[in-house]
Amino acid sequence: DIQMTQSPSSLSASVGDTVTITCRASHGIDKSLAWFQQKPGKAPKSLIYLASNLQSGVPSKFSGSGSGIDFTLTISSLQPEDFATYYCQQYSNYPYTFGQGTKLEIK
Amino acid sequence: EVQMLESGGGLEQPGGSLRLSCAASGFILSNYAMNWVRQAPGKGLEWVSGFSVGGANTNYADSVKGRFTISRDNSKNTLYLQMNSLRVEDTAVYYCARGSGISHWGQGTLVTVSS
Repeated sequence: DIQMTQSPSSLSASVGDTVTITCRASHGIDKSLAWFQQKPGKAPKSLIYLASNLQSGVPSKFSGSGSGIDFTLTISSLQPEDFATYYCQQYSNYPYTFGQGTKLEIK
Repeated sequence: EVQMLESGGGLEQPGGSLRLSCAASGFILSNYAMNWVRQAPGKGLEWVSGFSVGGANTNYADSVKGRFTISRDNSKNTLYLQMNSLRVEDTAVYYCARGSGISHWGQGTLVTVSS
């Protein structure tokens, strides 16, 4: 199985900041990577697919990059509604696997 | 509008069975890869099972292989997850999710396995 490792596990930032979350795959996955945002008690929301493509309706403050093993999610100009937990997921090979999550908190 | 509505969750004893349903609207379910993803209380997301694009192949996480079965009824545009031999560690919110690079999620249904 492909293991997905996110870093950091938690992150404190201020409104207006730009933050970057990384995701590393244990084997190459080309660009078969997605990013999700989840708020407490809610279903996840899809942000990015194929490593860098925004899902419909997702603002351009979210951006993704990477290929192969290393990937990043960057969120610019943080607003209060952006503080949530973020997950990466590989869909190159079954079983699909998620990272452990990165909790983004307000400083 | 794409919508997916899960149902069938509830309280079940260890060793018991439940069948989850995911009724899709706004799209033809058979045209997409479909997945079940779960989240145990206070934990992260775990992919459970899925149909590949075209629906020819079914796939399972090792943690549920041999106990869970994914299926669908195209006439009802509905995805199912038959869960047998339930364990306490299967306790979670179960989501259905559309696409390999998941684009849409249902609201989830809670499964609690406890004696």
